Amino acid sequence: DMKVTQMPRYLIKRMGENVLLECGQDMSHETMYWYRQDPGLGLQLIYISYDVDSNSEGDIPKGYRVSRKKREHFSLILDSAKTNQTSVYFCASSKDWGAYEQYFGPGTRLTVL
Amino acid sequence: GEKVEQHESTLSVREGDSAVINCTYTDTASSYFPWYKQEAGKSLHFVIDIRSNVDRKQSQRLIVLLDKKAKRFSLHITATQPEDSAIYFCAASRSNNRIFFGDGTQLVVKP
Repeated sequence: DMKVTQMPRYLIKRMGENVLLECGQDMSHETMYWYRQDPGLGLQLIYISYDVDSNSEGDIPKGYRVSRKKREHFSLILDSAKTNQTSVYFCASSKDWGAYEQYFGPGTRLTVL
Repeated sequence: GEKVEQHESTLSVREGDSAVINCTYTDTASSYFPWYKQEAGKSLHFVIDIRSNVDRKQSQRLIVLLDKKAKRFSLHITATQPEDSAIYFCAASRSNNRIFFGDGTQLVVKP
């Protein structure tokens, strides 16, 4: 069963708190992604991971960091969350980077107060 | 880098009519053009793609056209149904590069 999971699905944090968003996939995909989606702005790429410990910044990496210690898990960390990081965060995976279908997780709705 | 533009931010059609969503891209080396659908309150899922070695691809009621000279591609949904209502994202990439998404088109199919 090809699946991307995200935990938690909903999260409320106060400004300055640390945030950990977790993503898992069961397809042994090499490449994983973190996006955020805000109304009217489409999808913005935060980070790409090409494999374990091989990560690259996307378009909006400031304020975020990632960790990938196992192929099936990819974490997004917000150190000292800010109110403008309130958004819906999607994780995705693909067999390889580039011209391959991406499989998206259900999303995490993060509110930073 | 690549820039993908979706020309219609919203599109409204009557059930049974066809819907066309248009996208343009800037990188002449882009060769892969997928489309994703996002239903209200849900995540994105892949619906169809086209590669630059062809100019037309069909999957049931979905048709994708690619015009490489104009750097334009489009999604045609024939005989629209209420369940086609969603946000549709076009995207483009080179074969060895990340995918760049458009900002999405909200399609509303009215009964």
